[in-house]
Amino acid sequence: TQLLEQSPQFLSIQEGENLTVYCNSSSVFSSLQWYRQEPGEGPVLLVTVVTGGEVKKLKRLTFQFGDARKDSSLHITAAQPGDTGLYLCAGVMEYGNKLVFGAGTILRVKS
Amino acid sequence: DAGVIQSPRHEVTEMGQEVTLRCKPISGHDYLFWYRQTMMRGLELLIYFNNNVPIDDSGMPEDRFSAKMPNASFSTLKIQPSEPRDSAVYFCASSLGLAGSIHEQFFGPGTRLTVL
Repeated sequence: TQLLEQSPQFLSIQEGENLTVYCNSSSVFSSLQWYRQEPGEGPVLLVTVVTGGEVKKLKRLTFQFGDARKDSSLHITAAQPGDTGLYLCAGVMEYGNKLVFGAGTILRVKS
Repeated sequence: DAGVIQSPRHEVTEMGQEVTLRCKPISGHDYLFWYRQTMMRGLELLIYFNNNVPIDDSGMPEDRFSAKMPNASFSTLKIQPSEPRDSAVYFCASSLGLAGSIHEQFFGPGTRLTVL
């Protein structure tokens, strides 16, 4: 059982559509990070959220940390083929320093 | 900086053989992490080092796995003997601090290991 549950596992959409990826847990995290990974490469950090209720925007990507710091979401507006990849959430436990990764969401944006 | 460098990028070996994966972290980074990624289990932390000293190896699957960091610019992950279930992509990452300090981890391109 994953400590961080990501949904959906796989998402295939048309260019221009909006989408939301969820990252949920029953545990509290001191911070949460979102990474994007392309085939044949390592994950690359997109954002870190720290405060409960925090919202961060990165161009067409909006990240939100839940008020209780147990969940997070990633919303992409007007998806483009370049957004295709594996999106991973990773949390730092409230009492600990290691990153715990979710299983990931595979996003495919078709042109 | 060239980023985190891993070698080899691909390794195919037979069951029972010794496998050594190599990593050069980003210069100046104090922390080095070894991860394993599979479809079934996702990305798992195996071990991490701080200033060349192993801090937490609780993620190392079993005694067949060992990791060393003889100096600040080089680390190895060794599997001896290798088994088919070790097939995975192994990532090395480095950072200036621990995740608890909200320091970004920089990942290498990974080594795809296939054990036949």
